[in-house]
Amino acid sequence: SQQGEEDPQALSIQEGENATMNCSYKTSINNLQWYRQNSGRGLVHLILIRSNEREKHSGRLRVTLDTSKKSSSLLITASRAADTASYFCATGALTSGGYNKLIFGAGTRLAVHP
Amino acid sequence: DAGVTQSPTHLIKTRGQHVTLRCSPISGHKSVSWYQQVLGQGPQFIFQYYEKEERGRGNFPDRFSARQFPNYSSELNVNALLLGDSALYLCASSLARVQGQRNQPQHFGDGTRLSIL
Repeated sequence: SQQGEEDPQALSIQEGENATMNCSYKTSINNLQWYRQNSGRGLVHLILIRSNEREKHSGRLRVTLDTSKKSSSLLITASRAADTASYFCATGALTSGGYNKLIFGAGTRLAVHP
Repeated sequence: DAGVTQSPTHLIKTRGQHVTLRCSPISGHKSVSWYQQVLGQGPQFIFQYYEKEERGRGNFPDRFSARQFPNYSSELNVNALLLGDSALYLCASSLARVQGQRNQPQHFGDGTRLSIL
C-alpha cells in the first residue's frame, strides 16, 4: 500500500511560475525523499530531507518537512518546460531485515507550458 | 560512471509464461532493490538484496522471486504471469547497507516495461 499522498494529482502552470506540490504520510519516518520521473523513464533523485531537518534547498528546489503534521512540500521556483514530469515523494523505511526501502505516493503530474 | 542499467527495456509476454529481468547496479553499490510501477501509480517495493541475500520483501506473491550475484547484479523472476503483472519494473541501487546508513538516496534505472497479453 502507498504510504504518502501527493496533492495535487496534476498541476499545469506557465513557464516562470512557481510550482508547489504537497505530500502527506502516515507513519514515523527516518527521511523523506523527492524523485522526478520523465514519461516512461526511471526515477531521478532530487532531494533527501532527514526527519530532524525542517527545510532544504537544492538549486531551484526547496523542500520543507513538518513531522508534527506528517507532511512535506516541494517548491520549484521559476519553472521551465523541462520541469514537466511526475514528481513523487517517498518515505524511507526499514525492511524486516533492517535494510532500506522506499514507500512512494501516487505522484503529482506537473506540466509546464512555454 | 554508468548508472543503473536494466535489460531488456521492453518485453511482451502472454499469460502463464515466466519472465526474467536483469539489473546491473552502479559500480560500488552493493544494495539492489526492485520496484513495480503500475501505470498511473507510484512504485511499490518488491525486494531488497544486499550481499546476495534477501533483506526485505514487499507484499507480492511467491510467483515473484529474485537473486543477487557475486558481482552485485540482480535478476527478478516472475512465474505464471497474470495480466495484472503488466507494469514498469524498476531496479535501484544504493550505498545504504545497515540502519546506520539509512539516509541514502536510491539510484534508479530506466526500467523494463513488461506487457502481458
